[in-house]
Amino acid sequence: QSALTQPPSVSGSPGQSVTISCTGTSSDVGSYNRVSWYQQSPGTAPKLMIYEVSNRPSGVPDRFSGSKSGNTASLTISGLQAEDEADYYCSSYRSSSTLVFGGGTKLTVL
Amino acid sequence: QVQLVQSGAEVKKPGASVKVSCKASGYTFTNYYMHWVRQAPGQGLEWMGIINPSAGSTTYAQRFQGRITVTRDTSTRKVYMELSSLSSEDTAVYYCASGIARSRFDYWGQGTLVTVSS
Repeated sequence: QSALTQPPSVSGSPGQSVTISCTGTSSDVGSYNRVSWYQQSPGTAPKLMIYEVSNRPSGVPDRFSGSKSGNTASLTISGLQAEDEADYYCSSYRSSSTLVFGGGTKLTVL
Repeated sequence: QVQLVQSGAEVKKPGASVKVSCKASGYTFTNYYMHWVRQAPGQGLEWMGIINPSAGSTTYAQRFQGRITVTRDTSTRKVYMELSSLSSEDTAVYYCASGIARSRFDYWGQGTLVTVSS
């Protein structure tokens, strides 16, 4: 069971926008609108940022947005801030009633 | 507020089993699924399994089938994850995470470090 594919790293300057991709298959990302995104800072537990492709939990800034096209989901962070520097993981529901994570993307704010 | 409090760090020898607990508070225990996720040192997140605390039904990731058991005790609001036949590759931080839907993780525990070493 392969993980979803994310770029290992992305970077951007403060105020810019960055997009992190998450590529799966027709058995997960492509078939279900059940993609979530998590932010993890060093030494801490992950935090839910986006659920069901594009929904933000209460308290998550609207600078974070999600979308999906085919087998690829994306997380976009606009107006980049220093505090956004972290690791980001996507996850998706799978047809086997299981879940799968992406390999993670390290976001560096230059 | 919602809290998931996990049991403390463990050191185990290869071949042994470990049982990690997760106590939930601040929400209706049976309304949220509970997942177990692990993270090896310097590595990404790995989904291990899920329990429906209401029904007690479970689903496990294929790679852990036969080695993992997730149970719950509704009277104490605790969920347990037991992993057997440990090897050094099981050294990781183990997280419990609850979700209102089975496809997401709304709340996370603080993590439990399990170290497997001879």
